[in-house]
Amino acid sequence: DADVTQTPRNRITKTGKRIMLECSQTKGHDRMYWYRQDPGLGLRLIYYSFDVKDINKGEISDGYSVSRQAQAKFSLSLESAIPNQTALYFCATSETGSTGELFFGEGSRLTVL
Amino acid sequence: AQKITQTQPGMFVQEKEAVTLDCTYDTSDQSYGLFWYKQPSSGEMIFLIYQGSYDEQNATEGRYSLNFQKARKSANLVISASQLGDSAMYFCAMRGGSNYKLTFGKGTLLTVNP
Repeated sequence: DADVTQTPRNRITKTGKRIMLECSQTKGHDRMYWYRQDPGLGLRLIYYSFDVKDINKGEISDGYSVSRQAQAKFSLSLESAIPNQTALYFCATSETGSTGELFFGEGSRLTVL
Repeated sequence: AQKITQTQPGMFVQEKEAVTLDCTYDTSDQSYGLFWYKQPSSGEMIFLIYQGSYDEQNATEGRYSLNFQKARKSANLVISASQLGDSAMYFCAMRGGSNYKLTFGKGTLLTVNP
């Protein structure tokens, strides 16, 4: 089983719908992140959390919210999805005191019609 | 603020040849880290190599080496003896200081031709 698991892996939804992407990890890392990838734009940070009580906005947090339910779980929500939120979403973890290397989930491909 | 620039949207290389993927960065931090990740067409992100700003030697991992030129703020990835399986998107990323957020470049799509 993957160390960082994202569900769902693929989702098609309609404009205005609420969507939740879930991430769970078995690596025991404190730090968790949500990135989105768009063609030609690389990966951009949406939100990050350095422990259960710590939530921080990244560079593109508008239209998104997150919840850190436990050390191992970090969920990303789109309250009212819009087509330009169509993207590949990655959850990642890193270990406190490490080089900062990110360990990624397999990605969640979201399409908003 | 940190910035990563990858100026090559696409690169082509013949199998068994070496290829260099360019990455330049900008930061005001004295301590920082540089990373390269590979993303094959299947979509997963694979860590390749890391270089710390205080590391005096260039990092190497098998066929991958990082050509770190601190004064020029460049961290180019060199892949020796390219293989067909090296065809993928490659991302350069950096972490600034004690900030554990990685900033990514836009990526370079490498195609290895037989």
